Amino acid sequence: GAVVSQHPSWVICKSGTSVKIECRSLDFQATTMFWYRQFPKQSLMLMATSNEGSKATYEQGVEKDKFLINHASLTLSTLTVTSAHPEDSSFYICSANRRDSYTYEQYFGPGTRLTVT
Amino acid sequence: GEDVEQSLFLSVREGDSSVINCTYTDSSSTYLYWYKQEPGAGLQLLTYIFSNMDMKQDQRLTVLLNKKDKHLSLRIADTQTGDSAIYFCAVSGGSYIPTFGRGTSLIVHP
Repeated sequence: GAVVSQHPSWVICKSGTSVKIECRSLDFQATTMFWYRQFPKQSLMLMATSNEGSKATYEQGVEKDKFLINHASLTLSTLTVTSAHPEDSSFYICSANRRDSYTYEQYFGPGTRLTVT
Repeated sequence: GEDVEQSLFLSVREGDSSVINCTYTDSSSTYLYWYKQEPGAGLQLLTYIFSNMDMKQDQRLTVLLNKKDKHLSLRIADTQTGDSAIYFCAVSGGSYIPTFGRGTSLIVHP
């Protein structure tokens, strides 16, 4: 159990366009979902935390108008990169906490590789 | 805020034990995790330990926690080539949102 999927797994888009990435918890309900960005050979940078039905909480330095997060249900969160630029190219990973867990470990999706040309 | 440090690389011979070390700064940290990331993939939770524990063993994995020194280690016994990956230490406290280290690249050679 505790499987998280992401779609798409990779995407190439042109500069100025918008890209939506989906994150789903397949076999559990997620209390909270997280969006991370990972640069090559670097750690995960937490971008935002979202709870179902409420606005996402963005980390300092993350533009909320550029990285739109929608958490429509207990199993689905989406990240939309608006007006993408080459510097937005990165590996985006989502994770989720189980609603019924007491250890608060996060279950991670497989990641989405975004390349902006 | 919390700061989590790990060495960036570790190279071991197949069959030997690997020890990956992690230090953190916040003494009120409650949950401590080890994640594994294979190339091009997300993170997989390997194991975790609560701050009131000193040691946890799970098959080939042993986690040691020294709360006084704020030091966490992951030992992998009989390391195999399939263990080659990046290992992340993560620590969380009251907010339950973990802070991740930069990851240790484990290279296992024959």
